[in-house]
Amino acid sequence: DADVTQTPRNRITKTGKRIMLECSQTKGHDRMYWYRQDPGLGLRLIYYSFDVKDINKGEISDGYSVSRQAQAKFSLSLESAIPNQTALYFCATSDPGDSHSYEQYFGPGTRLTVT
Amino acid sequence: AQKITQTQPGMFVQEKEAVTLDCTYDTSDPSYGLFWYKQPSSGEMIFLIYQGSYDQQNATEGRYSLNFQKARKSANLVISASQLGDSAMYFCAMREGMRGGGADGLTFGKGTHLIIQP
Repeated sequence: DADVTQTPRNRITKTGKRIMLECSQTKGHDRMYWYRQDPGLGLRLIYYSFDVKDINKGEISDGYSVSRQAQAKFSLSLESAIPNQTALYFCATSDPGDSHSYEQYFGPGTRLTVT
Repeated sequence: AQKITQTQPGMFVQEKEAVTLDCTYDTSDPSYGLFWYKQPSSGEMIFLIYQGSYDQQNATEGRYSLNFQKARKSANLVISASQLGDSAMYFCAMREGMRGGGADGLTFGKGTHLIIQP
């Protein structure tokens, strides 16, 4: 089983709809992240969380909100989806205590299309 | 200013040749980490290699090595003996503030699309 899972894997939604992307991990990591990837671009950080009580905005948090329900679960919400939020969304985890490298472990991605 | 610059949008390389993918970075933080990720057409992000700013030696992982030139702020990825399966997007990324405090998360470059030709 994958260590970091994302649901749904693909989603098409209409402008103005609320949508939630979910991420679960079995790695036992405290730190979790949400990124988005637009075509021809690298990933950009939306939000990150050090633990269930510590949530921080990333580079492009406008239009998004998050919820850290438990150590293992971190959800990303689009309150009112707009077409320029069409992108590939990645969840990731890391644990500095796990290795010195601060490697981030990525989920498989959610492809979101807003029409 | 961009923190991570990858100047090669696309590269074509013959199978079995060595490949160097360029990455330059910009930071004033003395403690940082540099990462390379591979993204095949299926979309997943695969970690390849890591270099810490205080590491004395260049990182190596199998066929991957990182040519770290701190004074030039460059962290080029070298793939030896390229294979058809190496065809993918490659991203250089940086994390600043590795020794605690500050923001978390990685800053990515725009990537290099590598195509290995038979």
